[in-house]
Amino acid sequence: QVQLVQSGAEVKKPGASVMVSCKASGYGFTSHAIHWVRQAPGQRPEWMGWIDGGKGNTLYSQKLQGRVTFVRDTSATTAYMELTSLTSEDTAVYYCARDPRSGVLDYWGQGSLVTVSS
Amino acid sequence: DIQMTQSPSSLSALVGDRVTITCRASQGIGNSLAWFQQKPGKAPKSLIYAASSLQSGVPSKFSGSGSGTDFTLTISSLQPEDFASYYCQQYKSYPYTFGQGTKLEIK
Repeated sequence: QVQLVQSGAEVKKPGASVMVSCKASGYGFTSHAIHWVRQAPGQRPEWMGWIDGGKGNTLYSQKLQGRVTFVRDTSATTAYMELTSLTSEDTAVYYCARDPRSGVLDYWGQGSLVTVSS
Repeated sequence: DIQMTQSPSSLSALVGDRVTITCRASQGIGNSLAWFQQKPGKAPKSLIYAASSLQSGVPSKFSGSGSGTDFTLTISSLQPEDFASYYCQQYKSYPYTFGQGTKLEIK
């Protein structure tokens, strides 16, 4: 069965960076994109962008462009999201989600809470 | 960016009721619309994509309709496990955007 398992919670200081991992199993990792979505407390989800599991192409939201980087390791079937220059506004649960067909997000990871606090 | 607006923001209903949630896009998105269910502390769960197609494993009590700018999610015969928050999301153009959510509560 398709599973996306994410890394654990992180606490970071303002100005620091964080990396979240997303281990995929149960499907052909290189055949699908992985999207990243974050959700601040009590807010609607916010789409961050995607990475193609095969070619490694990426597309980032303009809001986060320059601070976010997606990479993937095909041998480990794992995608990674790095966010730099953290502020308190980056405190959120970060999710990865599989895209089987042009933007449809069918399976999601369990989420990784990132807290930014001095 | 395409703005997605849901109504109502909250809704109270009884077990066994049928409810409808509406989602409006600020510009036409064809049928590039998905619906998600989210319970507290959990990841969103995909219910519907392409406005009306049911995700595998999702019960037929959930149905979606609409195209262009106006969409609906209908849930029939509400059960206790259906009380949750529901979000619509457009994937017609970047950045993908979500509605503000509808919280469905037990009356």
